[in-house]
Amino acid sequence: EAGVAQSPRYKIIEKRQSVAFWCNPISGHATLYWYQQILGQGPKLLIQFQNNGVVDDSQLPKDRFSAERLKGVDSTLKIQPAKLEDSAVYLCASSLERLAGTNEQFFGPGTRLTVL
Amino acid sequence: AQSVTQPDIHITVSEGASLELRCNYSYGATPYLFWYVQSPGQGLQLLLKYFSGDTLVQGIKGFEAEFKRSQSSFNLRKPSVHWSDAAEYFCAVGPKATDSWGKLQFGAGTQVVVTP
Repeated sequence: EAGVAQSPRYKIIEKRQSVAFWCNPISGHATLYWYQQILGQGPKLLIQFQNNGVVDDSQLPKDRFSAERLKGVDSTLKIQPAKLEDSAVYLCASSLERLAGTNEQFFGPGTRLTVL
Repeated sequence: AQSVTQPDIHITVSEGASLELRCNYSYGATPYLFWYVQSPGQGLQLLLKYFSGDTLVQGIKGFEAEFKRSQSSFNLRKPSVHWSDAAEYFCAVGPKATDSWGKLQFGAGTQVVVTP
């Protein structure tokens, strides 16, 4: 079974530029998550999709971050414009079920973003 | 406020020695509890999880964890560490409510270094 795919693996941009990350979850997984992991911290949930609908985006900085999952499969996370503090690893995860109780989340390798 | 605390930022252990990683949580009710491992350049992998029942939980790669309700702790242990166990370890909690959307809260992580 193929795992969660993410691209690119690394990205370096100047502040105020825009950037996009792509995620393809495990086939059949209805729930998709984007996390931000700043160096020295644990992952923080940015947004959670159930199929193509957003169920939690309470920690997404909506003035600069956006995400979509148009066909309920792969997803794109965008930052526009980027700030220095956006430097982090962006992790995508997917799960078969939405509930924490049955909810093993499978993580992709992440995209390491450096904003200069 | 809900929180997950991993008191040890960094642990160094000799190969073959035992390992214990601490995790304490503050939550409204007993949550679901998880331990994940993150190797360099990799996504997070689930080691084990606790939902209910036996408070000693067995996981993959020879790891186990013990849930102690009175101490709000969920410590991870391994009797004999291998060099391949060098990685970062994250404790996470998730809500038990049946209407939860499975949002996990992660600790800051413990970096484990294994020496020969």
